[in-house]
Amino acid sequence: EAQVTQNPRYLITVTGKKLTVTCSQNMNHEYMSWYRQDPGLGLRQIYYSMNVEVTDKGDVPEGYKVSRKEKRNFPLILESPSPNQTSLYFCASSFSARDSEDWYGYTFGSGTRLTVV
Amino acid sequence: AQKVTQAQTEISVVEKEDVTLDCVYETRDTTYYLFWYKQPPSGELVFLIRRNSFDEQNEISGRYSWNFQKSTSSFNFTITASQVVDSAVYFCALRDYSGGYQKVTFGTGTKLQVIP
Repeated sequence: EAQVTQNPRYLITVTGKKLTVTCSQNMNHEYMSWYRQDPGLGLRQIYYSMNVEVTDKGDVPEGYKVSRKEKRNFPLILESPSPNQTSLYFCASSFSARDSEDWYGYTFGSGTRLTVV
Repeated sequence: AQKVTQAQTEISVVEKEDVTLDCVYETRDTTYYLFWYKQPPSGELVFLIRRNSFDEQNEISGRYSWNFQKSTSSFNFTITASQVVDSAVYFCALRDYSGGYQKVTFGTGTKLQVIP
């Protein structure tokens, strides 16, 4: 089954304790992205990757890191989490960053609800 | 810069009523895509429809219909004869080529509550 898998689904952590949210896709997609969802703000892009070893900042990258060492994996790293990073996080993938005609939208993971206390 | 505005934060309707969710977008690109996603209470994001900027035909899928009007930069979503299962947050999104690569911008969402 084609899917994007995020882990964990739920995570409660303490301020300053490094954590990683994993994301893996099995569709050979080039493009992967992380979003956070907050009430009243919709989904905002954190980081994206157009291919292996190619990553760039989205709209709200502060406090986050990513890496893309393999095509299928795109982990989100919070080196020193803070309470303002409490949010619902989504990983998404799609065929290509530059394809124009046949882009049918993102495939989203199931989400990770992170609470930082 | 691209922007998607969903002015309706929350809407409540009684079951079987029709409801329209508004979406207004801004982009400088001539080629772009518009989307609607549904987020039920379980939290996952479900793709509903894609529309490209060259296709202004309205679309109907069962009880769902979409009205795309480039003249007003709007892509509105109507649910006919609403049902309780339609209760969800609905997001409108715009994909264009900001800065030479694709960027997908989401609206802030409209929470729809269908009351039995």
